[in-house]
Amino acid sequence: GQQLNQSPQSMFIQEGEDVSMNCTSSSIFNTWLWYKQDPGEGPVLLIALYKAGELTSNGRLTAQFGITRKDSFLNISASIPSDVGIYFCAGLGNAGGTSYGKLTFGQGTILTVHP
Amino acid sequence: NAGVTQTPKFRILKIGQSMTLQCTQDMNHNYMYWYRQDPGMGLKLIYYSVGAGITDKGEVPNGYNVSRSTTEDFPLRLELAAPSQTSVYFCASSYYPGQSEKNEKLFFGSGTQLSVL
Repeated sequence: GQQLNQSPQSMFIQEGEDVSMNCTSSSIFNTWLWYKQDPGEGPVLLIALYKAGELTSNGRLTAQFGITRKDSFLNISASIPSDVGIYFCAGLGNAGGTSYGKLTFGQGTILTVHP
Repeated sequence: NAGVTQTPKFRILKIGQSMTLQCTQDMNHNYMYWYRQDPGMGLKLIYYSVGAGITDKGEVPNGYNVSRSTTEDFPLRLELAAPSQTSVYFCASSYYPGQSEKNEKLFFGSGTQLSVL
């Protein structure tokens, strides 16, 4: 099946630093999504990307849909302690394909922010 | 609005026991999903449903069964629990993905932590 490779697996940063993480795939996706999971909770959608090359911001978060449609990155600027959690990328396949309607998730990036 | 509700939140099973993880949503979503989350592995799709009466296998369906008798409910059944099924299970729902923008947004429940000993 389709797979997403997300990196880095974990990050330890100081409050105020910027963070960058990315996802790559051997398959093309029509939609890229970024989720955040707080401890003991389910993932919550942060940003959705629908077009190749699209750059979208949500507060201190910025994400881009790669031109090749096989990658995406997420940046967090000026990190704060509440940014702690696991960040997942997810891709939605092509209409008509066997993976249509089912998200494929990356392995997650564990973010720790030291005050 | 309750969103997606999962029960129980925690459960310990002995090998060979069976149980049903409950999931209900009140958003009138067509699609519902069951994922399992293992450390460092992300979320793997177990089963999904595109509407009442229709279910299909995901990436890791072995050892599980589902049913979708109503739009709201999508229970996940473990018949003979095995240690490999120790995981955190998430139920999610969405509108029809791809039909229009933002329909692929998945709403997740808060998870069921299952240990099989």
